[in-house]
Amino acid sequence: DIQMTQSPSPLSASVGERVTITCRASQNIDSYLNWYQQKPGKAPKLLIYGAINLKDGVPSRFSGSGSGTDFTLTIENLQPEDFAIYHCQQSYRTPRTFGPGTEVDV
Amino acid sequence: QVQLQESGPRLVRPSETLSLTCSVSGGFISDPEFYWAWIRQPTGKGLEWIGSIYYRGTTYYNPTLRSRVTMSVDTSKDQFSLRLTSVTAADTALYFCARRSLATDIGNWYDPWGQGILVSVSS
Repeated sequence: DIQMTQSPSPLSASVGERVTITCRASQNIDSYLNWYQQKPGKAPKLLIYGAINLKDGVPSRFSGSGSGTDFTLTIENLQPEDFAIYHCQQSYRTPRTFGPGTEVDV
Repeated sequence: QVQLQESGPRLVRPSETLSLTCSVSGGFISDPEFYWAWIRQPTGKGLEWIGSIYYRGTTYYNPTLRSRVTMSVDTSKDQFSLRLTSVTAADTALYFCARRSLATDIGNWYDPWGQGILVSVSS
């Protein structure tokens, strides 16, 4: 199985800051990497697919980069509604696997 | 827009079978552009992919659960289902159903998700 790791966790930040979350795959996954946002007790929501593509309707302060094994999710000008857990997920191989999640808190 | 809703028992006894159904509205489960998936999340832990099914019945299961998992689809009701046999406390989790895009040259992804259903395994 492809193992996904994330750092840092947790991540303490303040409103207005720029935040960067890193996701690393245990092997090359090209650009087959997705990011989800999850709030407590709620379902994850897709933010970015294919490493860099912003889902329609997701604010442009979110961006993704990377390929191969190393990826980043960046949030510019952090807003109060962005405090959540962020998960990365690879779709290169079955079984699909997720990172452990990065909690962005105050 | 497509919405998914999980349903089923919230308490299952150890060694028994967990059965959940996901109802799809605002779209058709027979849409050839999508697969349908189950994903779970133990409390305070990460997400675990259980498996996926196509409307024609093709399935993919997580090897760690394959011996205990069966997924099925009912196109007449726009529903798909999960059965997990011989459950233990380790199967206690928030279970989500989700729609998965077909494979593309940038992979595939889960969107949207159901709200989730918390299933506890306890005697």
